[in-house]
Amino acid sequence: GENVEQHPSTLSVQEGDSAVIKCTYSDSASNYFPWYKQELGKGPQLIIDIRSNVGEKKDQRIAVTLNKTAKHFSLHITETQPEDSAVYFCAASSHNAGNMLTFGGGTRLMVKP
Amino acid sequence: NAGVTQTPKFQVLKTGQSMTLQCAQDMNHNSMYWYRQDPGMGLRLIYYSASEGTTDKGEVPNGYNVSRLNKREFSLRLESAAPSQTSVYFCASSDVRDQPQHFGDGTRLSIL
Repeated sequence: GENVEQHPSTLSVQEGDSAVIKCTYSDSASNYFPWYKQELGKGPQLIIDIRSNVGEKKDQRIAVTLNKTAKHFSLHITETQPEDSAVYFCAASSHNAGNMLTFGGGTRLMVKP
Repeated sequence: NAGVTQTPKFQVLKTGQSMTLQCAQDMNHNSMYWYRQDPGMGLRLIYYSASEGTTDKGEVPNGYNVSRLNKREFSLRLESAAPSQTSVYFCASSDVRDQPQHFGDGTRLSIL
């Protein structure tokens, strides 16, 4: 089945700096890659997603890039703010796995004011 | 907008007790899911229901049962709780399986 690895597990940045979180996946048939943000005591909230026919997608300060050949995708947050502090999860799904999501282990992002 | 609502928010059980976690969504979604979240392990799929009337096992189904009561509601039952089932449980829904999933705020379950 699909295996998704996420790095780093913790990331500390200064307010205003950029943050990058990387994920690799194992199933070459994976075609949908969402990113979720989870705040303390809350459920994961979708912040951006990308499908395999697109290499990059941006939404204001957030962008996701996908390299299908290398089987990895990344989340980029620019001009970080204290409210960006949370746990971020990547996920992947493929038709081979019935379109079920497989999640990475999460990255705790801390933005220092 | 309620989205996905889970009850209860917290629960403490003794080993061997049974319990049903409730989940309801008001987005008219076809697919619903149950996950568990353990430290450092992300979210793992327990069971899912692709559409009303169907349920299927996910990655970690042992010790659990589910019921898709109607299009809105999807419950998770622990028949004989074990300490290894101490976790945070999340319910999610999506329009169809390869569309974005929307999560509830979780049930924090401790089994002593």
